[in-house]
Amino acid sequence: DAGVIQSPRHEVTEMGQEVTLRCKPISGHNSLFWYRQTMMRGLELLIYFNNNVPIDDSGMPEDRFSAKMPNASFSTLKIQPSEPRDSAVYFCASSGGSGSVAGELFFGEGSRLTVL
Amino acid sequence: KNEVEQSPQNLTAQEGEFITINCSYSVGISALHWLQQHPGGGIVSLFMLSSGKKKHGRLIATINIQEKHSSLHITASHPRDSAVYICAPQTSGSRLTFGEGTQLTVNP
Repeated sequence: DAGVIQSPRHEVTEMGQEVTLRCKPISGHNSLFWYRQTMMRGLELLIYFNNNVPIDDSGMPEDRFSAKMPNASFSTLKIQPSEPRDSAVYFCASSGGSGSVAGELFFGEGSRLTVL
Repeated sequence: KNEVEQSPQNLTAQEGEFITINCSYSVGISALHWLQQHPGGGIVSLFMLSSGKKKHGRLIATINIQEKHSSLHITASHPRDSAVYICAPQTSGSRLTFGEGTQLTVNP
């Protein structure tokens, strides 16, 4: 299996622009998580989905952030409009599915976002 | 007080040494994860445990639910073990609360 795939790996954009981060979870996993990592705040959960349904979005900073999971193999995290304080590494992770330790997390490589 | 406290924050060891990283938490949990973040930034799940002890190769993780404490041990440490180790108790549902991490450097 290719693991969790995120794109882009790096994104540099200007304040006010729309940013879309993408994630393909491991096939068969039924839970998907979006995390953000910054030097100041460490790792934080933004939102997670179970069977494509958002379960906990209390970590989403504000209305500028939105996440969707239209099907079991794809999720997006969108920031519109972006601000410099959104600069961070955004990780996607998935878990669940037969053959894996229930609840064990598999992380993507992360998307490093820089907003100028 | 943080919900998750890791110690030490930084640890430097010589190759071959036995290493212990501690994690204390104040919340009720269903499980606890230990994660490893490589210098390049990638994150790998090392353990998920809810009781007792687990062992993978040179790594051992223990948890005491009553004392709200977990430890990660590395036997015969190696420079390739140099990384940040993160304790993450799992609270409500699948929500993880992350410790600040322990930066481990193993010198040859």
